[in-house]
Amino acid sequence: AQSVTQPDIHITVSEGASLELRCNYSYGATPYLFWYVQSPGQGLQLLLKYFSGDTLVQGIKGFEAEFKRSQSSFNLRKPSVHWSDAAEYFCAVGGAGSARQLTFGSGTQLTVLP
Amino acid sequence: DGGITQSPKYLFRKEGQNVTLSCEQNLNHDAMYWYRQDPGQGLRLIYYSQIVNDFQKGDIAEGYSVSREKKESFPLTVTSAQKNPTAFYLCASTQGLHLNTEAFFGQGTRLTVV
Repeated sequence: AQSVTQPDIHITVSEGASLELRCNYSYGATPYLFWYVQSPGQGLQLLLKYFSGDTLVQGIKGFEAEFKRSQSSFNLRKPSVHWSDAAEYFCAVGGAGSARQLTFGSGTQLTVLP
Repeated sequence: DGGITQSPKYLFRKEGQNVTLSCEQNLNHDAMYWYRQDPGQGLRLIYYSQIVNDFQKGDIAEGYSVSREKKESFPLTVTSAQKNPTAFYLCASTQGLHLNTEAFFGQGTRLTVV
């Protein structure tokens, strides 16, 4: 069964600092990996996705993520965090042929200090 | 603009009542999903539907029911059998089982038992 682990429940960074959110997955074949962001009381918005090819993927709002098969990881990064990035971030894994599509991690809450 | 509309945004239920959450999409997507979100637990799949008049149980279907009479609509009923219904409910849709699919989410409904 596929699973996703986000080991950091809550991360606090200062505005302008760099950010890395960790994601580890378990999946028996080539995974399809996603990062979503959720603002309070809102739905989820897709930041970026990885299906194949270049292991470093670029997303919206200046985010990027790197797929490392050997480590079963798909960590999200941003070089300089803005106050508006404060939100909850979810990593998800999906697979071909499964109508259940996505398994989500438990999320990482990001706080940005001024 | 295409998207997913959930209503109402806030819903209050008395003990022993059934309530129905609405989800409508105009993206012409084949597949629709209901997730439940609780603090610190990420998103858990309740039900999903790949096509009209067909739906499957997810990980936490007990106490919930759905219907899919139209492609664009996937209402969720929270029955009195659901022991702890207070949560944030998210509806999502995807374009079938295409390998590079992306899930689009509604803004959510917050259900509170009073």
